[in-house]
Amino acid sequence: DGGITQSPKYLFRKEGQNVTLSCEQNLNHDAMYWYRQDPGQGLRLIYYSQIVNDFQKGDIAEGYSVSREKKESFPLTVTSAQKNPTAFYLCASSMFVSYSNQPQHFGDGTRLSIL
Amino acid sequence: AQSVSQHNHHVILSEAASLELGCNYSYGGTVNLFWYVQYPGQHLQLLLKYFSGDPLVKGIKGFEAEFIKSKFSFNLRKPSVQWSDTAEYFCAVNVVSSNTGKLIFGQGTTLQVKP
Repeated sequence: DGGITQSPKYLFRKEGQNVTLSCEQNLNHDAMYWYRQDPGQGLRLIYYSQIVNDFQKGDIAEGYSVSREKKESFPLTVTSAQKNPTAFYLCASSMFVSYSNQPQHFGDGTRLSIL
Repeated sequence: AQSVSQHNHHVILSEAASLELGCNYSYGGTVNLFWYVQYPGQHLQLLLKYFSGDPLVKGIKGFEAEFIKSKFSFNLRKPSVQWSDTAEYFCAVNVVSSNTGKLIFGQGTTLQVKP
């Protein structure tokens, strides 16, 4: 079955540590996205990528970094500069971005907590 | 900046009651509109979408939404809710002129249906 796989499901970060969240899709989608979900705030866009080797900052990119070396993969690194990283992180993908009416498909998410 | 507002944060209904969840957005140009649902323990999934044409759109599980351009609204409705509709509901907007698939989400509405 096609879909989006996020791993790990739960992740704990120590102070000063960088952690990387994995996102893999086998939907052959061009665009991928990372969102952060906090209670009462909905989903906020961290980064997005429309094509391999290119990505753009979203609304809350500070303290995060991404790479897009392969079409199917879009890992997110939460750096030590992100002072409030505890949240639920969702990865999504969609068909070619110029057709902006394509719905996004979401993974199951990674819950990140601070030790 | 564009924003999406969902007026009801937490709604509690009895089975068979009618549902209407409000969604307003702040952008005067052309938009694509979505409702997503997140059932407990499951990933976010598309409920319905509006791109153009008939402003009344029907989605899965008996849900529908009406786009009222003059009111910048896209309210979600269901004539008779079931216990299985208990979930969190998100309204999302894509600004067509951005030429990206970026979504702006509302804060979400938690729906609790009592059996």
